Amino acid sequence: QVQLQESGPGLVKPSQTLSLTCTVSGGSISSGSYYWSWIRRPAGKGLEWIGRLYSSGSTDYNPSLKSRVTISEDTSKNQFSLKLSSVTAADTAVYYCARDLGGYGGFDYWGQGTLVTVSS
Amino acid sequence: DIQMTQSPPSLSASVGDRLTITCRASQSISTFLNWYQQRPGKAPRVLISASSSLQSGVPSRFSGSGSGTDFTLTISSLQPEDFATYYCQQAYSTPWTFGQGTNVEIK
Repeated sequence: QVQLQESGPGLVKPSQTLSLTCTVSGGSISSGSYYWSWIRRPAGKGLEWIGRLYSSGSTDYNPSLKSRVTISEDTSKNQFSLKLSSVTAADTAVYYCARDLGGYGGFDYWGQGTLVTVSS
Repeated sequence: DIQMTQSPPSLSASVGDRLTITCRASQSISTFLNWYQQRPGKAPRVLISASSSLQSGVPSRFSGSGSGTDFTLTISSLQPEDFATYYCQQAYSTPWTFGQGTNVEIK
């Protein structure tokens, strides 16, 4: 059974960089034909896909956030991370990591989500 | 980007009701459409993939249909645990996009 768990600061100041880590257990992020995605849900709004990492290490970002986003991996710890720079209050959201089947199948395993608030 | 439009945004229903939620894509996405359920404080859970394929462990009262631009999620007999928010998601091309959600409340 694959499990994902997000971790990172719950409060980030405006203009700073949001950093989150997703720890995966029950499966390796560097094997298999899977993608590993970050998704967020701002309060009162719907879900927004941020971007993803493929098992080969390649990445794919939402163009609306691409200039501010970096997704990377640490295969030794079976983790992947999200960095979002120059944050504003609009980036306040619950952030989820998820396994992405890359088309048919959707996101089949999710972390529980972590709330990140951008405020001074 | 492919825009996904869900309707209605919210609805009130009773246990036992039959419910239909619709999702429209801004361009044809074949059957690359997934449905999710999100209960308060929980992560989303995939119910249906590829427009009509019921995921393992999902009750058979859930069904999906459609292709091209128009899709539906049907709950044949609403149960107390089904009161949640439902999202559609297109998996045809990145960036993956979601509908704005349909909040199903108890009448």
